[in-house]
Amino acid sequence: GQSLEQPSEVTAVEGAIVQINCTYQTSGFYGLSWYQQHDGGAPTFLSYNALDGLEETGRFSSFLSRSDSYGYLLLQELQMKDSASYFCAVPPDNTDKLIFGTGTRLQVFP
Amino acid sequence: GAVVSQHPSWVICKSGTSVKIECRSLDFQATTMFWYRQFPKQSLMLMATSNEGSKATYEQGVEKDKFLINHASLTLSTLTVTSAHPEDSSFYICSGAQETQYFGPGTRLLVL
Repeated sequence: GQSLEQPSEVTAVEGAIVQINCTYQTSGFYGLSWYQQHDGGAPTFLSYNALDGLEETGRFSSFLSRSDSYGYLLLQELQMKDSASYFCAVPPDNTDKLIFGTGTRLQVFP
Repeated sequence: GAVVSQHPSWVICKSGTSVKIECRSLDFQATTMFWYRQFPKQSLMLMATSNEGSKATYEQGVEKDKFLINHASLTLSTLTVTSAHPEDSSFYICSGAQETQYFGPGTRLLVL
């Protein structure tokens, strides 16, 4: 089966940088995605890594190391609106469906 | 990005009744849609894959006779929670796939 582990909670202050880790165990690997979800809202896509290395999208970057079965989401210049839950996700097979990680709740303080 | 809607956004029902939730892709055709359930402060759990014109594929542990899924067109999938019980109270989210998954806003179900 598949499992994706994340820290349950991370706190930081405005303007800071925070890293949210994701370690995964999958039978096959077809890429790692990151989603943001505000309370009561829909998950929104943030970033995707198919190959090792860093992908940068504005203030958000995502890193992948397939040899370590590990990835992280890096959030820079934190803003209050970044307070949300963040999930890593993988397709369990070469289809469109996703298995989500345990989720990390980020709280940004002024 | 592509837009997915859900209706209703929230519903309260009595135990033993059935509730239907609609998921629509508004600006793209989704041959495949997915249904997830999310309990408070927990992750999204995939329930089933909804395939247009064919039977849904359910994840292990999900009762197919309790959670009826119909994907009658390329833009509409429905989830019916039959004989709902309080433990079915949850946040139900659908998504449509177009290169990536686009999620609906979710439906909050409360069973009394």
